[in-house]
Amino acid sequence: AQSVAQPEDQVNVAEGNPLTVKCTYSVSGNPYLFWYVQYPNRGLQFLLKYITGDNLVKGSYGFEAEFNKSQTSFHLKKPSALVSDSALYFCAVREAGARQLTFGSGTQLTVLP
Amino acid sequence: KAGVTQTPRYLIKTRGQQVTLSCSPISGHRSVSWYQQTPGQGLQFLFEYFSETQRNKGNFPGRFSGRQFSNSRSEMNVSTLELGDSALYLCASSFAGGSETQYFGPGTRLLVL
Repeated sequence: AQSVAQPEDQVNVAEGNPLTVKCTYSVSGNPYLFWYVQYPNRGLQFLLKYITGDNLVKGSYGFEAEFNKSQTSFHLKKPSALVSDSALYFCAVREAGARQLTFGSGTQLTVLP
Repeated sequence: KAGVTQTPRYLIKTRGQQVTLSCSPISGHRSVSWYQQTPGQGLQFLFEYFSETQRNKGNFPGRFSGRQFSNSRSEMNVSTLELGDSALYLCASSFAGGSETQYFGPGTRLLVL
């Protein structure tokens, strides 16, 4: 069965500092990995995904994520945080051949001015 | 291209009633998935439809049902509403599922009194 964990419920970072939101996953086969962001009273917005190829994936709004197969991780990063990045971030996994996307519990990111 | 739309955006019902939520996918997308989001359980998969057929179903009781029309629009129905059904219901579409990105609508917030 596929699963994903976001070990931090809350991450605080100062504006201008780098940010990292952690995600680890568990699958039997090859993973398809996704990051989404949710602003209050909104749906989920797609940020980036890893399917295959280069382990460093670049996405929207300056975000990037690194796929690490040995550590089964897919951490979300941004070199310089903005106050407007404050939101709820979800990591999701879909095992190759599976129909269902499984989401982590979410990490609330707060960027302090 | 227009995004995923969901109607209504907000809904208040009482216990025992039934409710129907609607989702219009991005033009050309044939896969529609539904999710329930609550503070306690997070994002949980309800079901996925593709070409008018339910392809996958999550662990929800039979009170939760759905359907998809020939134009790929989808509806979900919840009968005999319970207080615990209060949630944000999210619809997501993709061209065919699999490794493809799911794009989410803004959600329907259901409050059961």
